[in-house]
Amino acid sequence: AQSVTQLDSHVSVSEGTPVLLRCNYSSSYSPSLFWYVQHPNKGLQLLLKYTSAATLVKGINGFEAEFKKSETSFHLTKPSAHMSDAAEYFCVVSGASNYQLIWGAGTKLIIKP
Amino acid sequence: DTGVSQNPRHKITKRGQNVTFRCDPISEHNRLYWYRQTLGQGPEFLTYFQNEAQLEKSRLLSDRFSAERPKGSFSTLEIQRTEQGDSAMYLCASSAGHNNSPLHFGNGTRLTVT
Repeated sequence: AQSVTQLDSHVSVSEGTPVLLRCNYSSSYSPSLFWYVQHPNKGLQLLLKYTSAATLVKGINGFEAEFKKSETSFHLTKPSAHMSDAAEYFCVVSGASNYQLIWGAGTKLIIKP
Repeated sequence: DTGVSQNPRHKITKRGQNVTFRCDPISEHNRLYWYRQTLGQGPEFLTYFQNEAQLEKSRLLSDRFSAERPKGSFSTLEIQRTEQGDSAMYLCASSAGHNNSPLHFGNGTRLTVT
C-alpha cells in the first residue's frame, strides 16, 4: 500500500532564502511522485513529477525535487524564496492508476519579507 | 491552453436544496476526476471517468451524490438534499489517457451550505 507523509504542516522562510519542503513516501512498487501547489482560493497546479527517469526533477518557478529511493524521500527545494511562492504544497504518490493518488496533508509555505 | 473550467466558482445554498456543478476539461483529455477538499486538508477522491464511462466511485460518494459525463466531454456533479457537511471546495481535474499523466485542475467550486 502507498502512503505519503509531509513532515511539516507549516514552513516559514525569509524572502531570498532557500526553501525545503519535506516528503516521505511508502510504496510497494516503483512509484510516480508529484508536487502540486495551491494558491489561496485557487485550484491545484502541477509543479513537477517523477516517473522513474532522472532522480533530480526540475519543475516550474525554480522548484526542483530529488527522488531518493534509499531514504524514500522526495523533498521539494528552491534556492531562493519569492513572496509569490507563499501557498500550500502537496506531495502526491500514485497508485496503479491516476485516480489512485495518495495526497499528503499539505505544507503551508509562509514567506517573510 | 484553455485549462479546466469549473462553474460556478461559488455556490451558497440552504440545507436540503439540490446543487449542480459543471466541469469542462481540457479538450484532448479523456480522463476526468472529481475531488472534494475541506479546509486544511488535501483533496479527497470522489469519482473518475474515462470518456463517458464512470469507472470508479469513492465510498465517500453517498447516494445523494451523482456525477455524469454524458458525451465524454463536460461533466456535472449533483448533490441532492445538501447537508452542512457537504460544504467544501469541489475540484475537477482532467488528464491524458496514459497512466501517471499529471492531473490538471480547475479552480474549483466552493459550496457553502447554510
